[in-house]
Amino acid sequence: DVKVTQSSRYLVKRTGEKVFLECVQDMDHENMFWYRQDPGLGLRLIYFSYDVKMKEKGDIPEGYSVSREKKERFSLILESASTNQTSMYLCASSPPGGGGVPDTQYFGPGTRLTVL
Amino acid sequence: TQLLEQSPQFLSIQEGENLTVYCNSSSVFSSLQWYRQEPGEGPVLLVTVVTGGEVKKLKRLTFQFGDARKDSSLHITAAQPGDTGLYLCAGRISGSARQLTFGSGTQLTVLP
Repeated sequence: DVKVTQSSRYLVKRTGEKVFLECVQDMDHENMFWYRQDPGLGLRLIYFSYDVKMKEKGDIPEGYSVSREKKERFSLILESASTNQTSMYLCASSPPGGGGVPDTQYFGPGTRLTVL
Repeated sequence: TQLLEQSPQFLSIQEGENLTVYCNSSSVFSSLQWYRQEPGEGPVLLVTVVTGGEVKKLKRLTFQFGDARKDSSLHITAAQPGDTGLYLCAGRISGSARQLTFGSGTQLTVLP
């Protein structure tokens, strides 16, 4: 079974703190994604990566950065946390895809971040 | 503005009832997926549909992709409490890159 793990289930930080959210997958997937999930808004893509050391902005990258130094690990960084970044953060991975059919995205259990 | 609109946003029904959840867009999608998310977990893929008009069945769940590939529906027959969860549709816009666009979700509660 594919396993995607996230470093914390719950995290409480203060405004202005630097926050690191870690995600690790064990299936050698090329693609990794970071989403935030808010009630009534579904999942919104923050950043994604198709290979080591590469990254692309998603729909809502402002206030976030990412790092992918190793294939299995994709980190989300909040440089200076703000209260409007209080949310559920979900990491996902997927194989490279092909043939026009999207591959399954495998999600971690999520990190519920509260910024006070 | 959501590219994929789901309705209803909340649905509470009794065990044994039937229900339909809708996912609509003004954009054409090359494929559409349905995920289910249970409390404290990430979403899990239920099905992928790729052809306009396609119908797929998964036990008591029936998924349909619209002929124009702009909408989809999920029908559950004889709902059970184990069907409770957040249902999310997700699609890849035709001609776009590899990322998915997710709908806003339908929170289903099936009461025993």
